[in-house]
Amino acid sequence: GDSVTQMEGPVTLSEEAFLTINCTYTATGYPSLFWYVQYPGEGLQLLLKATKADDKGSNKGFEATYRKETTSFHLEKGSVQVSDSAVYFCALYSSASKIIFGSGTRLSIRP
Amino acid sequence: EAQVTQNPRYLITVTGKKLTVTCSQNMNHEYMSWYRQDPGLGLRQIYYSMNVEVTDKGDVPEGYKVSRKEKRNFPLILESPSPNQTSLYFCASSLSPPRSGEDTQYFGPGTRLTVL
Repeated sequence: GDSVTQMEGPVTLSEEAFLTINCTYTATGYPSLFWYVQYPGEGLQLLLKATKADDKGSNKGFEATYRKETTSFHLEKGSVQVSDSAVYFCALYSSASKIIFGSGTRLSIRP
Repeated sequence: EAQVTQNPRYLITVTGKKLTVTCSQNMNHEYMSWYRQDPGLGLRQIYYSMNVEVTDKGDVPEGYKVSRKEKRNFPLILESPSPNQTSLYFCASSLSPPRSGEDTQYFGPGTRLTVL
């Protein structure tokens, strides 16, 4: 069945460092891909999305490109801030009206 | 303000004591869903509802029930809770089912349930 694998955390970086969180998927067809962010004590919020191959989703300085050939959707940000500390979830929307989430990656940014 | 609300936010209970976690949205969304979040497992879908009186099982439905009598409400019912249902629960809603991902899913703030 469909699945999402993302890099395990926690990831700890210094402020202004470059961020990459890897995400790969297994799915039939061409699912839509998403990154959600969960700040402490809150529900998930959609960060960005891409609905077809080669699309690039972007928001708040974060970017991710839908790579069909490598079945990947890695999250990147050029210069992280302390306020980016959160848990990040990669997800896909399958053809079966289901949402499959990765296990989440906890990101901590040091001042 | 567009939002999904859940109650209670925190609940400690004992094995076998029936409980209900309420979920309500004010956006006239047709699609609603319940998830549980466990460390290292991400979010797993419990049940979802396409519309009033239309519900279906997600990936981990055992031990749970839901109902959708009104469009805005989607309560999660644990008839006989057990310790393995200790988890963080999220309700979510969107205008339409997430087939294409065009409609954003809105998540509630979560309910932390502990079953002793």
